[in-house]
Amino acid sequence: GGIITQTPKFLIGQEGQKLTLKCQQNFNHDTMYWYRQDSGKGLRLIYYSITENDLQKGDLSEGYDASREKKSSFSLTVTSAQKNEMAVFLCASGTGGRTGQLYFGEGSKLTVL
Amino acid sequence: LAKTTQPPSMEAYEGQEVNVSCSHTNIATSEYIYWYRQVPHQGPQFIIQGYKDYVVNEVASLFISADRKLSTLSLPWVSLRDAAVYYCIVTDMGSFNKLTFGAGTRLAVCP
Repeated sequence: GGIITQTPKFLIGQEGQKLTLKCQQNFNHDTMYWYRQDSGKGLRLIYYSITENDLQKGDLSEGYDASREKKSSFSLTVTSAQKNEMAVFLCASGTGGRTGQLYFGEGSKLTVL
Repeated sequence: LAKTTQPPSMEAYEGQEVNVSCSHTNIATSEYIYWYRQVPHQGPQFIIQGYKDYVVNEVASLFISADRKLSTLSLPWVSLRDAAVYYCIVTDMGSFNKLTFGAGTRLAVCP
């Protein structure tokens, strides 16, 4: 089996600060995803990447940048942290529609002071 | 893409069978039905997927109505560990990478 590792688990930043979340997977999956989950709500797609150096915008990409320099890693940067985006950020990987399965990490909780 | 409608919450006692329904009245012929669940402090986990009729695996079973407008996830003998939010998602393979998760159904399990 494989694992998705997200770092850090908790990230605290100041309003306006640039903050980066990292995700590693050892499934050897082609596709990786970043989602945002606000408290008590569903998940919204920020970015996904179907291969190394590919980036595709989701519904919530404004205010975020992403980077996929290696197949196994996918980073998400909050370009200017705002108090209204305190949420849990979830990374996932998968093989796309072929299997219908996404594998998620445990999440990174962002707090903006 | 088809929109799904699920009950916002359900309650059950340990040992009961639980059926979580999902309505997808505008489902297209190219679309599949996926179920995930999310326990607190973890990401969602895939449970089962189907296209029509009946699908079963070691965790759950999935019944899909003949017109494919309704699906029901069945969890036999629920335990406290099954307390989670259950998400029903409908999409086709071409749109799978843009999967989004709605509010889901929050299942509470009482001892």
